[in-house]
Amino acid sequence: AQSVTQLDSHVSVSEGTPVLLRCNYSSSYSPSLFWYVQHPNKGLQLLLKYTSAATLVKGINGFEAEFKKSETSFHLTKPSAHMSDAAEYFCVVRGSNYKLTFGKGTLLTVNP
Amino acid sequence: DAGVIQSPRHEVTEMGQEVTLRCKPISGHNSLFWYRQTMMRGLELLIYFNNNVPIDDSGMPEDRFSAKMPNASFSTLKIQPSEPRDSAVYFCASSSTGLTDTQYFGPGTRLTVL
Repeated sequence: AQSVTQLDSHVSVSEGTPVLLRCNYSSSYSPSLFWYVQHPNKGLQLLLKYTSAATLVKGINGFEAEFKKSETSFHLTKPSAHMSDAAEYFCVVRGSNYKLTFGKGTLLTVNP
Repeated sequence: DAGVIQSPRHEVTEMGQEVTLRCKPISGHNSLFWYRQTMMRGLELLIYFNNNVPIDDSGMPEDRFSAKMPNASFSTLKIQPSEPRDSAVYFCASSSTGLTDTQYFGPGTRLTVL
């Protein structure tokens, strides 16, 4: 069994300040972990993925995430937020098969 | 690459009517997934096809829902009869040869059942 918890349902930052979106997971297997982003009325776009290679994963648009097994965390960060980053972000875990388990999402608001 | 294509993007129908949602996966991908997104339940996997064969339909809500994949480039999700509680965004996703490969999502179909 696997699960994922996004610790914040809503995060609000100012443009140019750092972004931190928190995610904890549980999995019976060595998991693959993903972050997807969903802009309003759009589909889900893959930001980055971890599949047991380097623990620090770099994604698109300046985002990165660090896999910490001891903390069962996979937090998403970005040094400087842009207005275009405003969207909903989903942390996703996959165990031994194809099934993805989605977190409930974190809505990121970027203030000018 | 055109990505995963879904149609229609929006569908408004009345309770009791048949609804058909369509999906064209990324060329060369042999796994296809249908998901439903609602505020209450988030994103849920409805059904998974591999090489056009349904492998896992345990997420299909009830007999009113059916899905087909007649060939590698086309899939449908049908609801008959539709009910207001079926209102949601339905996503199709595809992935390539490995079952554990990354899933790429389409833009979704927003279904409203009145």
